[in-house]
Amino acid sequence: GNSVTQMEGPVTLSEEAFLTINCTYTATGYPSLFWYVQYPGEGLQLLLKATKADDKGSNKGFEATYRKETTSFHLEKGSVQVSDSAVYFCALSHNSNSGYALNFGKGTSLLVTP
Amino acid sequence: NAGVTQTPKFRILKIGQSMTLQCAQDMNHNYMYWYRQDPGMGLKLIYYSVGAGITDKGEVPNGYNVSRSTTEDFPLRLELAAPSQTSVYFCASSQGLAGGPTQYFGPGTRLLVL
Repeated sequence: GNSVTQMEGPVTLSEEAFLTINCTYTATGYPSLFWYVQYPGEGLQLLLKATKADDKGSNKGFEATYRKETTSFHLEKGSVQVSDSAVYFCALSHNSNSGYALNFGKGTSLLVTP
Repeated sequence: NAGVTQTPKFRILKIGQSMTLQCAQDMNHNYMYWYRQDPGMGLKLIYYSVGAGITDKGEVPNGYNVSRSTTEDFPLRLELAAPSQTSVYFCASSQGLAGGPTQYFGPGTRLLVL
């Protein structure tokens, strides 16, 4: 079946450091790929998405490129802020999933210190 | 738009009690979903619906029931609550096939079964 694997946390960075959170997926064909962010005590918010190979999703300084050849969708940000502290989830949607439901990774907790 | 709303925010249940988690969306989305999030894990699909009157099981449906009498509402029913149902429950909606797979999440309901 379809699945997502993302790097385990927690990840602790100093403010202004470079961030990479690795995400790889298993699926046939061309799933849609997403990064969601969950701030403490809140629900999930869509951070960015890509729906076809070589697409780059971007939002709030975060970027991720859909790499079909490596089945990856790594999240990057050039300079993190304290306000970026949250849990980040990589997810995929595929037409073989029930109702296009999302398959989620386990989440990566990010803590940014001043 | 309020987006996706969920009530209650938090609830404590005794073993064997029942309750209904409410979910509503005002975006006229056809597809709606219930997920549960356990500590350190990604979200898992409980039930989903592709339109009013149509529901189907997801990955972890045991102990739950749903109904979809209107486009807006998608309540989740817990019968005979068990400690294993202690979790955070998220409702989500999407436009489905026509509008793409992006899902929008509610703020969640935290449930504790003692």
